[in-house]
Amino acid sequence: SQQGEEDPQALSIQEGENATMNCSYKTSINNLQWYRQNSGRGLVHLILIRSNEREKHSGRLRVTLDTSKKSSSLLITASRAADTASYFCATPYTGGFKTIFGAGTRLFVKA
Amino acid sequence: DVKVTQSSRYLVKRTGEKVFLECVQDMDHENMFWYRQDPGLGLRLIYFSYDVKMKEKGDIPEGYSVSREKKERFSLILESASTNQTSMYLCASSFEGYNEQFFGPGTRLTVL
Repeated sequence: SQQGEEDPQALSIQEGENATMNCSYKTSINNLQWYRQNSGRGLVHLILIRSNEREKHSGRLRVTLDTSKKSSSLLITASRAADTASYFCATPYTGGFKTIFGAGTRLFVKA
Repeated sequence: DVKVTQSSRYLVKRTGEKVFLECVQDMDHENMFWYRQDPGLGLRLIYFSYDVKMKEKGDIPEGYSVSREKKERFSLILESASTNQTSMYLCASSFEGYNEQFFGPGTRLTVL
């Protein structure tokens, strides 16, 4: 199975609520990245957290990393309709040239 | 801002045709990647390149080839298109292997 796997597969919330997505991976990592993809478009990088970091913030995004559990979570606070998208976690292989993307969480924010 | 462009947003080809997908990046990145994205399967790496004229197979290289004659340009070639190659194709580039990747808008290819 894939290195990074997101949970849940789909999430539907009301505008203003918080959205939490989780990612699990299998092997040791140098860093873990989160990306967003709007429908039918390319992926956009959101945030990168290094293996020696536990938490990182960027605007309304908060990412945590637990290397002992091989898991990460992405929290979007005060969600907006424009946050409706698919969110992917990604982990580079050792050596760095190949990055494994999970299957993604589809987030739908209702106005 | 890094810009990655792809030659077409939508493409329709017939079975057996030779298909070229072009990708250009403007930030002098060493690494470039081609993925395909299919529902339920996520992104799968087809080929990547870490330098001009260098290429490495990804997870699903069968039926594809690539060319990187200039640093900014990475082409994906479908030698003889088949219907199972109908997919969204995404190109990406990165400065170093572990860094974030910058994606193009994607090419939705339909093979009839």
